Amino acid sequence: GIQVEQSPPDLILQEGANSTLRCNFSDSVNNLQWFHQNPWGQLINLFYIPSGTKQNGRLSATTVATERYSLLYISSSQTTDSGVYFCAVEGPLSTDKLIFGTGTRLQVFP
Amino acid sequence: ETGVTQTPRHLVMGMTNKKSLKCEQHLGHNAMYWYKQSAKKPLELMFVYSLEERVENNSVPSRFSPECPNSSHLFLHLHTLQPEDSALYLCASSQDRVFQGGELFFGEGSRLTVL
Repeated sequence: GIQVEQSPPDLILQEGANSTLRCNFSDSVNNLQWFHQNPWGQLINLFYIPSGTKQNGRLSATTVATERYSLLYISSSQTTDSGVYFCAVEGPLSTDKLIFGTGTRLQVFP
Repeated sequence: ETGVTQTPRHLVMGMTNKKSLKCEQHLGHNAMYWYKQSAKKPLELMFVYSLEERVENNSVPSRFSPECPNSSHLFLHLHTLQPEDSALYLCASSQDRVFQGGELFFGEGSRLTVL
């Protein structure tokens, strides 16, 4: 099946810094989403982005489907951005399985 | 306030108990999902329901039994669990199915501990 790799696994930032999180996948995708899991466990839907670029406030994402990667940009990070960021993809076989990467754990300190 | 609510948020049970997890979505979505998140492992899809019909059973042991009585409610019935089943169980819903471009919205999760 499709493989999803995220990097870096851990990221420590000071408030106000910018960061880029990467998601590589091994096959073409029909569906790609970015999620933020807060310290209480809830997964928050950030972007649905199988291709192209989207922005929402301080967050933006770009997926280059032909090169099989997606990037999540966080600008002017805040302590509330802390948590784990997951990329999830559905491959070319048209299933209902959204395959999750292992995540990037972000800690933002004041 | 989330559009997907899960109860209970925390559950401790013995291996011989029977309990149920409940999920309710207030988004008018057509598909619902159960995911399992264990420590140091990626999220694993367990079950998918579309319009109350089970469309995916991802090789889940029979001690986990899902039920979807209508498009707004999803249950996970638990019986004779093992300690390794301790995990965070996450419910999600989407308007369209994943391969149709459906976006998943998750509840806050039910943290299960099996003694």
